[in-house]
Amino acid sequence: DAGVIQSPRHEVTEMGQEVTLRCKPISGHDYLFWYRQTMMRGLELLIYFNNNVPIDDSGMPEDRFSAKMPNASFSTLKIQPSEPRDSAVYFCASSPGTGSPEQYFGPGTRLTVT
Amino acid sequence: SQQGEEDPQALSIQEGENATMNCSYKTSINNLQWYRQNSGRGLVHLILIRSNEREKHSGRLRVTLDTSKKSSSLLITASRAADTASYFCATDSATDSWGKLQFGAGTQVVVTP
Repeated sequence: DAGVIQSPRHEVTEMGQEVTLRCKPISGHDYLFWYRQTMMRGLELLIYFNNNVPIDDSGMPEDRFSAKMPNASFSTLKIQPSEPRDSAVYFCASSPGTGSPEQYFGPGTRLTVT
Repeated sequence: SQQGEEDPQALSIQEGENATMNCSYKTSINNLQWYRQNSGRGLVHLILIRSNEREKHSGRLRVTLDTSKKSSSLLITASRAADTASYFCATDSATDSWGKLQFGAGTQVVVTP
């Protein structure tokens, strides 16, 4: 398997623009997680899905952030409108399920909002 | 607040030496996991220890768990330059949604040849 795939790897955008980050989890994994990593706040869980259904979105910073998982092989994280403080590395991870709770991370998307 | 807190924040050692880092947490857990992150990369799962286990080994890695002290340690034996990375502990809280890991701030390990 190719592992968790994220696109784009780098994104530079201007404040106010819409940003969409994409993730393809490992086939057969039931759980998908979105994280954000910054120097100041470390690694933060934003939202996660089980069998395409959002389970916990308490980490989503505000209404400007939204995430969807239309099917088992694709998820998006959208920021609209973007702000400079959204600059971070965004990771997607997937996990097999209850019996195997380890998470497999993608390479991340480095977002810079100017 | 972060559930897991690693200590030390940074560690510098020479090849061949052992590296030990510790993790403390606050609430009861289902399991505790250790991850490695190389610069500019995603996290890689290293080892998982469940709440009813006390020690686990995987290659050059040894993890211990003391649930009475709410702490864990990761030992890397005979370190190599390739072990240079940040190491994170992550806890799966018994009082929270399954799978919701809380990561610590990490320990930066530098191994010099």
